[in-house]
Amino acid sequence: ETGVTQTPRHLVMGMTNKKSLKCEQHLGHNAMYWYKQSAKKPLELMFVYNFKEQTENNSVPSRFSPECPNSSHLFLHLHTLQPEDSALYLCASSQESGDLGAFFGQGTRLTVV
Amino acid sequence: LAKTTQPISMDSYEGQEVNITCSHNNIATNDYITWYQQFPSQGPRFIIQGYKTKVTNEVASLFIPADRKSSTLSLPRVSLSDTAVYYCLVGDILVGEYGNKLVFGAGTILRVKS
Repeated sequence: ETGVTQTPRHLVMGMTNKKSLKCEQHLGHNAMYWYKQSAKKPLELMFVYNFKEQTENNSVPSRFSPECPNSSHLFLHLHTLQPEDSALYLCASSQESGDLGAFFGQGTRLTVV
Repeated sequence: LAKTTQPISMDSYEGQEVNITCSHNNIATNDYITWYQQFPSQGPRFIIQGYKTKVTNEVASLFIPADRKSSTLSLPRVSLSDTAVYYCLVGDILVGEYGNKLVFGAGTILRVKS
């Protein structure tokens, strides 16, 4: 238990569906991150939020839409995904963007069919 | 973040001490060295962080020579459950609002055999 909770843990969605991934932390951290990890590949940083403001968008396709309503919650809205988007999506938080002592959630295993 | 280089993989046996070295020739004065561990289908877990000399906690030790251009993560008496990917990150933890991107490299796959 890291203090960062992701839901759902598993998600199967069709290419025409719209779904959302949720991340929640009550560690008092001000920075939150979304990562994508495909099979046998390194972690890919997608988005960074610092004090609710997006500070990094790592050339992520627009079919992935992040939302950070407050410092404790982070969402990743998904629509018209492709099969190659199937991956483990990980959320992390840290005290501030730049703090290398980050805490990760267990991830959401996404399968696009 | 400073660029880091780690071995792609390492094999070890239960009960042995494992040392994983990370090279970071371009480390800056304010940079810290941080190691994470990741098991399959789980998020990375913070292991240890240091700036210079030696840091030890209940999980591992981190050795950093005086020039800080490399660091070694030492895992004492590994078990099968230590089989994981280990990542080395180097960066300034005090950069402020638009700081590090917390970018991970490929890491080192450690396989512990019985």
